[in-house]
Amino acid sequence: QKEVEQNSGPLSVPEGAIASLNCTYSDRGSQSFFWYRQYSGKSPELIMSIYSNGDKEDGRFTAQLNKASQYVSLLIRDSQPSDSATYLCAVRRGSTLGRLYFGRGTQLTVWP
Amino acid sequence: DVKVTQSSRYLVKRTGEKVFLECVQDMDHENMFWYRQDPGLGLRLIYFSYDVKMKEKGDIPEGYSVSREKKERFSLILESASTNQTSMYLCASSSPLYEWQYFGPGTRLTVT
Repeated sequence: QKEVEQNSGPLSVPEGAIASLNCTYSDRGSQSFFWYRQYSGKSPELIMSIYSNGDKEDGRFTAQLNKASQYVSLLIRDSQPSDSATYLCAVRRGSTLGRLYFGRGTQLTVWP
Repeated sequence: DVKVTQSSRYLVKRTGEKVFLECVQDMDHENMFWYRQDPGLGLRLIYFSYDVKMKEKGDIPEGYSVSREKKERFSLILESASTNQTSMYLCASSSPLYEWQYFGPGTRLTVT
C-alpha cells in the first residue's frame, strides 16, 4: 500500500466550476498535511497546509481533513485556467524527521 | 524572500562521468532534501539531511551520495552517471518549526 495516494486524473473542469482533488494516506499517526501546486516545467510550490480535522479556507482554496477516514482533500472554487497544474498531496508521518511523503499528483485542466 | 537555488537548470553529461549537483538555501533551515521526479513516478526521495554532516537514505539512494559540510549547502553526487539517472532533480529545504518544504527550481539532467 502506498503511503499517499491521489486520484490519478487527469481532472478536467470548466472555468468557474469547483475542482475537487482527493488524497488518502496510510499512516494513522500522520500529523501534518500539505497541498502543493506544480506548473509544467516548474517546481512544486506550497498552497495549503492543514493540521487538524475540518476545513481550512484560503481565498478560493479549501483544504479538508478527516483523520478518522485518513483522507484529505482540496477544493478549488471558481476554477480559472491559471489553476491548470498538477496538484501534489504531501503528508508528514508522526515518526519522521521533517520528511514528507508525496502522492504522485493529480493533473488538473481548467478549460475556458 | 525565501530562496532555494540549484547550481544548474540544465545539465548534459556522459555515461560514467561524476556529476555534482549543488543546492543552497538562505533560510537557515536545518532540513534539506534531494528528490528526482520522473513522469508517472512522482517525486522520489533520494537522500535527506537534518543537520550538518548528517544524512539519511531516502527511497532510491542507489547510485547517489550526498555531502553537507555547511548548513546552507547540500550536494548530490552521481558517482558514475548512467542513462537511467536522466531525470529532473529537485532540492528542497524545511525548518522543523514550519515543516513544509521549499523547492528549488530544479536541474534537468540528461545522461547520454
